[in-house]
Amino acid sequence: GENVEQHPSTLSVQEGDSAVIKCTYSDSASNYFPWYKQELGKGPQLIIDIRSNVGEKKDQRIAVTLNKTAKHFSLHITETQPEDSAVYFCAASKVGGGADGLTFGKGTHLIIQP
Amino acid sequence: ETGVTQSPTHLIKTRGQQVTLRCSSQSGHNTVSWYQQALGQGPQFIFQYYREEENGRGNFPPRFSGLQFPNYSSELNVNALELDDSALYLCASSPKGLAGTGELFFGEGSRLTVL
Repeated sequence: GENVEQHPSTLSVQEGDSAVIKCTYSDSASNYFPWYKQELGKGPQLIIDIRSNVGEKKDQRIAVTLNKTAKHFSLHITETQPEDSAVYFCAASKVGGGADGLTFGKGTHLIIQP
Repeated sequence: ETGVTQSPTHLIKTRGQQVTLRCSSQSGHNTVSWYQQALGQGPQFIFQYYREEENGRGNFPPRFSGLQFPNYSSELNVNALELDDSALYLCASSPKGLAGTGELFFGEGSRLTVL
């Protein structure tokens, strides 16, 4: 089955700086890669996703890049703000490949220092 | 808020007991997935229900079972509870029939502690 590795486990950045979180996946058939943000006491919430026919996607301060050859994808957050502090999860799955569910990484605790 | 509601929010059980967790999906969503999230870990896929039938399952034993009702709400049942079943159980709904084809809308979870 799919295996998703995520790094780093904790990331502390100064407010206003950029943050980058990286993930690798093992199943070359995976073609859907979402990123979820989980705040304390809440369920995960989708912040951005990318499909394998696209190399990069951007939404305001958030961008995701995908390298299918190397089987890795990254989340980039620019101009970080205090409300960006949370745990971020990457995930992978096969669209149209049956109901295998999402395979999540172990998460990155992002801390924004004022 | 996603519109996905779960109950109870917290519960404590002892080893060997059985538990039922409930989930109401967001309006218009016909698919419900359940995930187990151990402390400090990412969510793990348990199974998915679409049109009242299980149509996908992760690496969980048969003592984890579920139901989906005609109004698309769902239950997760766990029999013969073990200490390792202690976790946050997340329900997610989506408007499509296949898991992973789009955004999942998660509830806030049910925190289960097994003593």
